[in-house]
Order: sequence, then structure tokens, then C-alpha cells
Amino acid sequence: DTGVSQNPRHKITKRGQNVTFRCDPISEHNRLYWYRQTLGQGPEFLTYFQNEAQLEKSRLLSDRFSAERPKGSFSTLEIQRTEQGDSAMYLCASSSTSPSAYEQYFGPGTRLTVT
Amino acid sequence: RKEVEQDPGPFNVPEGATVAFNCTYSNSASQSFFWYRQDCRKEPKLLMSVYSSGNEDGRFTAQLNRASQYISLLIRDSKLSDSATYLCVVRSGGSYIPTFGRGTSLIVHP
Repeated sequence: DTGVSQNPRHKITKRGQNVTFRCDPISEHNRLYWYRQTLGQGPEFLTYFQNEAQLEKSRLLSDRFSAERPKGSFSTLEIQRTEQGDSAMYLCASSSTSPSAYEQYFGPGTRLTVT
Repeated sequence: RKEVEQDPGPFNVPEGATVAFNCTYSNSASQSFFWYRQDCRKEPKLLMSVYSSGNEDGRFTAQLNRASQYISLLIRDSKLSDSATYLCVVRSGGSYIPTFGRGTSLIVHP
């Protein structure tokens, strides 16, 4: 399977704990995005990487959230001191360079439940 | 006003019906437009890009109206398998960051 993969698929954690999610994009894609989606809403942009550089972060991304893409391949998203409001589906997407630079391909997501 | 607005529905239609969704966007500098499909508890999947001249793919037709700042998706001869949420996506010029609408739910019944 050469699509976008995410791990874990589900994570249940207690409030105050730290969690880390991983995303492996399609291998030739140099752009990687993280989104958060809650029930009944569309995906909300969190952050974007081009290769290893984090080029944009949403105002939604509080200082408890950090993302890395150290070698320009896989990426991790860490949430520190989780809160119940962090419960959501965390989606990763990747895209290639032109001509289809703006078409994104999503992974299956990591569903986070904070109890 | 939200940057991308969609009627959440649900649109409840019988098999074989034709159904259309609209999506309005507020930024006149928007450059790229897409429709994604999302099944329940699954990830969004690209359905089609929306070009200035329109785009047709089988039973699906997408149109762009820049003057009125909306895009549309028309589904002909609806199938049960078309039941899903359809997400409108808009990207502004000079940015790689797309904005998603909240989606329109379609239910096709026998």
C-alpha cells in the first residue's frame, strides 16, 4: 500500500497525558499537512510542512501542540497535557509538486479520545 | 461570514435521482477548488478538481461561478453507494493551505 499511513489509528488517554501521532506520507510527496476534524465539521488546518520545513501553523495550534518532520519524510504531531477538548480525529495529508500540487491525499486518521 | 459555506443537509434522495450541492466562498482571490467525498468515520478522498471551464467525470459534474463565488456539484442517476458527506475545498492564490467547508450529507435510499 503506497498511500498515506497514520499510527496509531485510535488513542485513548487521560487528561494531562502527552500523546504523539505519526504520519507517513506518500513517498514522492514533499508537502505534508495536519488537520483536526470533529463531528459534523470539515477538517481544520493545523500545520504544513514542505520537506522538513514547517512553513505555516494555524492559530488553532496552541503551544501544547508541536509537529516535526525531521528528515522530510514522516512527521509526528505531539500534544502535551491533553485536554478533553483535544478529542478529535487527527488527519494527515500529503501532496506532490506541480501540476497536481493542490490535490491532497489523506491518511486514515488517528482518533483521539481524552477521558 | 465563514470562508467556505455549505448546507449541511442531509439531502435525502431516491436512487436514480439527480441532486446538486452548492458551496459559496468569501475570498474573491480564491484560485483552486475541489470536491472531496468522506464516508462515515473515514478519511476524505478527492472526488474531483473544479476548473474554470467546469469538469465532468461520469455521473459527476462540477461547475465554478466566479462572479457569484460559488462552486457546484451535480450527481446524476444517484446510487446507494453515493451516500456520503461531500466536502467543498477552496484554496486562495499564493497559499498551499486549503479551507474545507463543513460538508453536505447525502443519503440515497432505495
